[in-house]
Amino acid sequence: GENVEQHPSTLSVQEGDSAVIKCTYSDSASNYFPWYKQELGKRPQLIIDIRSNVGEKKDQRIAVTLNKTAKHFSLHITETQPEDSAVYFCAAPNTGFQKLVFGTGTRLL
Amino acid sequence: EAGVVQSPRYKIIEKKQPVAFWCNPISGHNTLYWYRQNLGQGPELLIRYENEEAVDDSQLPKDRFSAERLKGVDSTLKIQPAELGDSAVYLCASSLGPRDTEAFFGQGTRLTVV
Repeated sequence: GENVEQHPSTLSVQEGDSAVIKCTYSDSASNYFPWYKQELGKRPQLIIDIRSNVGEKKDQRIAVTLNKTAKHFSLHITETQPEDSAVYFCAAPNTGFQKLVFGTGTRLL
Repeated sequence: EAGVVQSPRYKIIEKKQPVAFWCNPISGHNTLYWYRQNLGQGPELLIRYENEEAVDDSQLPKDRFSAERLKGVDSTLKIQPAELGDSAVYLCASSLGPRDTEAFFGQGTRLTVV
């Protein structure tokens, strides 16, 4: 499958609150799920990724969870700060693992 | 360590004119990608190289787009002739290998076709 759906498209949070962004994928064989952060006018940068052999991964204030049965994964940002404002993209491999398919992005304000 | 380097950063051309983008990947990265990112959208793959071989170019509009990666290092992406709808940011990325490894992006080239 080629579909990676991402929600919400825009997310506004108060400083200090948590933010959650969700993505669903279609190919049950997918095994690698990165999250990229793109600040205005800058390049996408990997912030965290997870592989299908684990259900959760944390790195300081960010974490990613994976539900293989439901075929969705989520990005969690705790204690949000102004520097977290950016567009966040999820991605998953397409069928055959030939490329990453990106979600449409979530603008975090 | 230098990251992925792209040039130019910005390019404005009239429709029907040719344009070329250049990418220098991270040293040692065998896999190189060209993506197109439209405003408000995620990157979409145009072509992927493994060394000098194009292994996935199914999304490349071959009537007007061409790419090459001589000697498996630098790459160029060309559009001839450009159309208004080609306006976008063209991102180059590289990774150690083709699968489940981190892709590092360049700053991109913002193309405006007028």
